[in-house]
This record gives sequence, structure tokens and C-alpha cells, in this order.
Amino acid sequence: GQNIDQPTEMTATEGAIVQINCTYQTSGFNGLFWYQQHAGEAPTFLSYNVLDGLEEKGRFSSFLSRSKGYSYLLLKELQMKDSASYLCAAQDSNYQLIWGAGTKLIIKP
Amino acid sequence: IAGITQAPTSQILAAGRRMTLRCTQDMRHNAMYWYRQDLGLGLRLIHYSNTAGTTGKGEVPDGYSVSRANTDDFPLTLASAVPSQTSVYFCASSLSSQVNEQFFGPGTRLTVL
Repeated sequence: GQNIDQPTEMTATEGAIVQINCTYQTSGFNGLFWYQQHAGEAPTFLSYNVLDGLEEKGRFSSFLSRSKGYSYLLLKELQMKDSASYLCAAQDSNYQLIWGAGTKLIIKP
Repeated sequence: IAGITQAPTSQILAAGRRMTLRCTQDMRHNAMYWYRQDLGLGLRLIHYSNTAGTTGKGEVPDGYSVSRANTDDFPLTLASAVPSQTSVYFCASSLSSQVNEQFFGPGTRLTVL
């Protein structure tokens, strides 16, 4: 079956760095997405990885290892506004997105 | 319209009633999707459409139907609502089924009593 695993909740301190991990098992693979979702709002796109390695975009970076079925999202210089859920989604051979349940990130001052 | 819109924002519905959730996008995206999101679960795909005139079933299609008469609109219909359909419903679109950065509407919060 197809499956995405990510931690349910994480807590970090303002100004610090946090890494949110995601492991996936899909029928075929066509890329890994990260989305941010603030409470009561719609998900918004953060990053897309299809090749192994690290993609950096400002304070956010995303890493992919296809051989390990593993990705992480790295958030640096955490701000209170980063408090949100972070959704990992893998694209299968039919280009359908398989979504994880999301990681709720709590930022403390 | 800028982006993707949904209506209504929220709705309370009696069980057994018929309900259509509306979704419109003005980005000329070919692919559109309907998801439901329940606490503790990931987004689950209900139905999708890769292009106007075609639709497909997702992970949880039972009790729902869709149509795609044109590029912009993708309504979701609950023929006879049941309490288990209480959820937040998100419509999304992407340039194509293979260029899959999806843009989401604001969601419809549906309560079935």
C-alpha cells in the first residue's frame, strides 16, 4: 500500500532551527511536496523535490533521498508565524498526491 | 476572481439532504481536485479531473459525484448527506495532472446532522 509517515507534533523555540521528517512508500514516485497550513486556512505550496539533494529557499530548505524514501523540511530562524501544520505529499506513478497527516509545529518564545 | 474560490464557506445540513459545493478557478488550470480533511488524517482525494469533460475517482469517492463541464468550474455534489461526511472540503487546481503544484481554495466547512 501507499503510505506517508511524519511526526504528529513538534515544538521549537523562536530563532532556532527545526527539521521535520517524512518517509514515504508509494507505487512509483514522481516527486515530493511540502505544504504549509495555518489553522483554519488552506494549504499553501512550500517546495518540490524530484531529484536527490537539498533545495534551499530562503529560511526553508527541503531534502530528498529517493533510495531511502525519505525527505525533510528544514526551517531556520524560526518565527512565531511559522506555527502551522506542515504537510508532506508524495506523487505516485499516476501523478496522484499521497498526503501525510501533517506535522503540527508549535513555536514558543 | 483571483485564484480559486469555493462556496459556501460553511454549511450545516440535515442528513438526507442534497448539497452541491461550488469551486471556480480563473487560472486556466487543466486539472482540478476535491479533497476532504478530517482531524488526524491527511487530505484524502475524493474526485479529480485532469481536463474539462473528464473525471476520475479518488481514494474516498462513495457518496460524492462531480462534473467538469468547462475548465473553470468543478462542483462536488453530495446526493444524500450522512453525518460521516462532516468535514472540511478543499478544492484545488494545478496546471496539469503532471505539473502538480496544487493551489487550494479556502475550503468549505460542512456539518451534517
